Amino acid sequence: QKEVEQNSGPLSVPEGAIASLNCTYSDRGSQSFFWYRQYSGKSPELIMFIYSNGDKEDGRFTAQLNKASQYVSLLIRDSQPSDSATYLCAPRSYNTDKLIFGTGTRLQVFP
Amino acid sequence: KAGVTQTPRYLIKTRGQQVTLSCSPISGHRSVSWYQQTPGQGLQFLFEYFSETQRNKGNFPGRFSGRQFSNSRSEMNVSTLELGDSALYLCASSSWTEQETQYFGPGTRLLVL
Repeated sequence: QKEVEQNSGPLSVPEGAIASLNCTYSDRGSQSFFWYRQYSGKSPELIMFIYSNGDKEDGRFTAQLNKASQYVSLLIRDSQPSDSATYLCAPRSYNTDKLIFGTGTRLQVFP
Repeated sequence: KAGVTQTPRYLIKTRGQQVTLSCSPISGHRSVSWYQQTPGQGLQFLFEYFSETQRNKGNFPGRFSGRQFSNSRSEMNVSTLELGDSALYLCASSSWTEQETQYFGPGTRLLVL
């Protein structure tokens, strides 16, 4: 089992729709979770992070965390073509304190 | 505040050569992490330095090494390059005061021929 699992996609959604990106992780001790966006040919940029169970909203982005299910998701409301990118989920390992990255989900938002 | 900078941005080497990449973290950040990114493997953690000490190390061969200087700038070195070392090498800096959020530099794209 991979430490962090993400559907590679592509996930295709129409402009204006909600995009839902999912991530599961194996380290039960992970306490903090990060979402990064990476455009093709560019480096990852931080979108948001979440520490507590439940939802955390930041503009059009909502991160959801369920530690019991070892599941974290990112919702993007009112998706725009400029949101087309690969989204990386990264829990922080409890034992090593380092970020463990998933391979990412490629999102395509079409007009 | 300036972001993370990496030099060089692009590099072409041949097998057997060695290479040194440089990373300057965000001012005030003392932690620097290095990652290798390839299409097949995604982002793979190489090592992390904090206050000139290696704090964490990933599962890479000893050909990959790094160090951090007193001004928090970091270098990574790859000796005896192999074709499979062709990748985007990313550096990320973080600060304990920002809950260890990592900010990435633009990366160095290395091509080994």
